[in-house]
Order: sequence, then C-alpha cells, then structure tokens
Amino acid sequence: GDSVTQMEGPVTLSEEAFLTINCTYTATGYPSLFWYVQYPGEGLQLLLKATKADDKGSNKGFEATYRKETTSFHLEKGSVQVSDSAVYFCALSDRGGDTGRRALTFGSGTRLQVQP
Amino acid sequence: NAGVTQTPKFQVLKTGQSMTLQCAQDMNHEYMSWYRQDPGMGLRLIHYSVGAGITDQGEVPNGYNVSRSTTEDFPLRLLSAAPSQTSVYFCASSEGRTISPSYNEQFFGPGTRLTVL
Repeated sequence: GDSVTQMEGPVTLSEEAFLTINCTYTATGYPSLFWYVQYPGEGLQLLLKATKADDKGSNKGFEATYRKETTSFHLEKGSVQVSDSAVYFCALSDRGGDTGRRALTFGSGTRLQVQP
Repeated sequence: NAGVTQTPKFQVLKTGQSMTLQCAQDMNHEYMSWYRQDPGMGLRLIHYSVGAGITDQGEVPNGYNVSRSTTEDFPLRLLSAAPSQTSVYFCASSEGRTISPSYNEQFFGPGTRLTVL
C-alpha cells in the first residue's frame, strides 16, 4: 500500500537558518503530494501541494518539488522564523479509484522548533 | 464561512461509555472523512463518505460508526469506548467533483481530544 516516510524530529534551528525536512513516498500510480502544518493546539492546515511530477508547490516562503524519479517531496525554507515552530506532515492522496475513496496517507510528522 | 467545525473540543469518557463526535462543514463539500492522530503515527483514516447516504470504512474502523444523512454533517459514534480510543480526532472535507483541480485538497477541523479512562 501507499506510505510516506519523513525525517524524525524534533528539528531545532536558530532563527534565519535554512530548513529542510525530507519526505519520500511509495505509491502506485500518480498521487498528489501535500505538506500540512499543525500549530500547537490547532488542526492541520494545508501549507502547499503538487499534483504532478516536477511541480513545485510554494507558500509563505516554503517550497517543495515533486520528484518522481526519487519519489521525494522535501520541504525547504530559506530563512525560518520563530512563528514557523509547528509540526509538519507530508502526505499523499490517491486518485480515488472506483470507490471514490480519497484518503490522505500521512507521514509521522516532524516537529520544528525555531529559537530566537 | 466557518469551514469545518467539530464539537466538543475535549471529552473524557469512562470505558464502556458511548458518545458522538460532531462534525459539520458549510462549504457544500461532498467528501468527508474522520481521522485519528496518535503520537508518532501521523493521521489514520477511520471512515469516509463520498456523499449523503454513502459511507465506507477506512484504515482503522473498528469501534466506530458513522452516518451521513445530510451533506453538511458527518458524526462519528463510539458505541463502547475503550482506552485504545484515546486520541485526537480530526474531521476533514473536500470537493466532490473530480474534475476540479483541488478535488483532493482536504480541509480539517480543529480536532476533538478524547481521553478514555
């Protein structure tokens, strides 16, 4: 079945440091890929997405490129802020098939702590 | 739009008690789903619905029931709570039209933190 593997945390960085959170996936077909962010005490918010190979998703200074050849979707940001402290989830979505099931398969999450 | 709303935010149950977690969305989304979040495991799909009157099981359905009588509401029922059901529960919704470029973009509620003693 489908699976998502992302680097374990916690990741602790100083403000303005460069961020990379690795994500690799296993899936049949051509899934869509997502990064979700969860701030303390809140639900998940979509951060960015990519729906086909070589697409680059970007939002709020974060970027990730859909790499089919390496089955990866690494999250990057050039200069992190304290306000970026959160848990980040990589996820993929299947195409639904006959049942219309459109589940997200999540990685285990990576906690990012940015220190001033 | 309020988006996806969930009630209650927190709940403590004793083993064997029953309860219903409420979920509603005002975006006219056809697809709705329930996930549970456990430490170190990401989110796992419990049940989903592709439209009113249609539900199906996800990855971890045991111990949970759902129904979908309206497009807006998708309650999750625990018939006899067990400590293994202690978790944070998230409801999500998305558009039903597969031709929409954002059809698989899911919107999440704020979650319900459930503790079963």
